[in-house]
Amino acid sequence: EAQVTQNPRYLITVTGKKLTVTCSQNMNHEYMSWYRQDPGLGLRQIYYSMNVEVTDKGDVPEGYKVSRKEKRNFPLILESPSPNQTSLYFCASSPGDRGYGYTFGSGTRLTVV
Amino acid sequence: EDQVTQSPEALRLQEGESSSLNCSYTVSGLRGLFWYRQDPGKGPEFLFTLYSAGEEKEKERLKATLTKKESFLHITAPKPEDSATYLCAVQARYALNFGKGTSLLVTP
Repeated sequence: EAQVTQNPRYLITVTGKKLTVTCSQNMNHEYMSWYRQDPGLGLRQIYYSMNVEVTDKGDVPEGYKVSRKEKRNFPLILESPSPNQTSLYFCASSPGDRGYGYTFGSGTRLTVV
Repeated sequence: EDQVTQSPEALRLQEGESSSLNCSYTVSGLRGLFWYRQDPGKGPEFLFTLYSAGEEKEKERLKATLTKKESFLHITAPKPEDSATYLCAVQARYALNFGKGTSLLVTP
């Protein structure tokens, strides 16, 4: 089944404790992206990647890091999480830039206390 | 700067009562306008892509249309299972810029 898989689905952590949210897609897609979704603010892009080793900042990149060492994986790293990073996170992938829609993962609900 | 504005923020319909959701946008070099459906706590689910003004697409009770400045999602004779948040997004280059969505509730 073609899909984007995120792990974990739920995570509660403490301020300052480094964490990684994994994302993997099995569709051989070129583009991958991370979004966060907050009430009243909608979906906002954190980082995106056009291909292996090519990444760029989205609208809200502060406090996040990403890497794209393999085509299928695009992990999101929070080096020192803070409570304002409590959010619902989505990873998404797309085959290319001819207006193809993104396929989204099921989401990771992160709480930082 | 790309902007996407959806209206209304929330809409309550009786089962069978048709209506339309609006998505107004400004973008440099539109590569596509997308409609997604999102259920609570789940990832957005792709519905339609529209590329150029005048284009229309249909799926069951949903029909999406596109002009140079806005898109409409028409819902004909909705059912309670159509209740969800409907998201509009535009793609200029590598990623999607989303509106805040319209929360639709269809009551029996």
